[in-house]
Amino acid sequence: DVKVTQSSRYLVKRTGEKVFLECVQDMDHENMFWYRQDPGLGLRLIYFSYDVKMKEKGDIPEGYSVSREKKERFSLILESASTNQTSMYLCASSFQDLRPSGNTIYFGEGSWLTVV
Amino acid sequence: LAKTTQPISMDSYEGQEVNITCSHNNIATNDYITWYQQFPSQGPRFIIQGYKTKVTNEVASLFIPADRKSSTLSLPRVSLSDTAVYYCLVGVDNNAGNMLTFGGGTRLMVKP
Repeated sequence: DVKVTQSSRYLVKRTGEKVFLECVQDMDHENMFWYRQDPGLGLRLIYFSYDVKMKEKGDIPEGYSVSREKKERFSLILESASTNQTSMYLCASSFQDLRPSGNTIYFGEGSWLTVV
Repeated sequence: LAKTTQPISMDSYEGQEVNITCSHNNIATNDYITWYQQFPSQGPRFIIQGYKTKVTNEVASLFIPADRKSSTLSLPRVSLSDTAVYYCLVGVDNNAGNMLTFGGGTRLMVKP
């Protein structure tokens, strides 16, 4: 079974703190994603990485950065957390080719971040 | 990447068949259509994927007309546990510049 593991399920941080959200996948997927999910807004893509050290901005990259030093690990960084970044963060991974042969996007369980 | 449009929400009763339609007017020739299901406080999970005509698995069926500008997820005889948000996603590969962006999804509420 594919596993996408997010390091923390629930976090509470203070405004201005630097926050790291870690994600690890065990399927040798090329692609990794960070999404943010807020009530009524669906899934919004923050950043995407298609290879080690490669990244692309998604729809809402402001206030976030990412790091992909190893293929299996993709980190989301909030340089200076703010209250409007309180949300659920979802990591996902996939092969580059999504044509059917079992390829799809696999999600982690989510990290609930509260910034106070 | 093809943009998708789905109804925001739908209500149904246990035992009924539910059909959720997704519009994707600018689908590309190589794009596949994939549906995901998300329960509260969990990440989305894969339900079904197709390219054209009809695909069926143990969970659902996916109907895709010849022009492929829309697709319909069909859930037979829903139960309370099918209450979830359903996302339609259209795309094929994730090379640089092709990112996977989900739409707002359809919130299905199954009532007893």
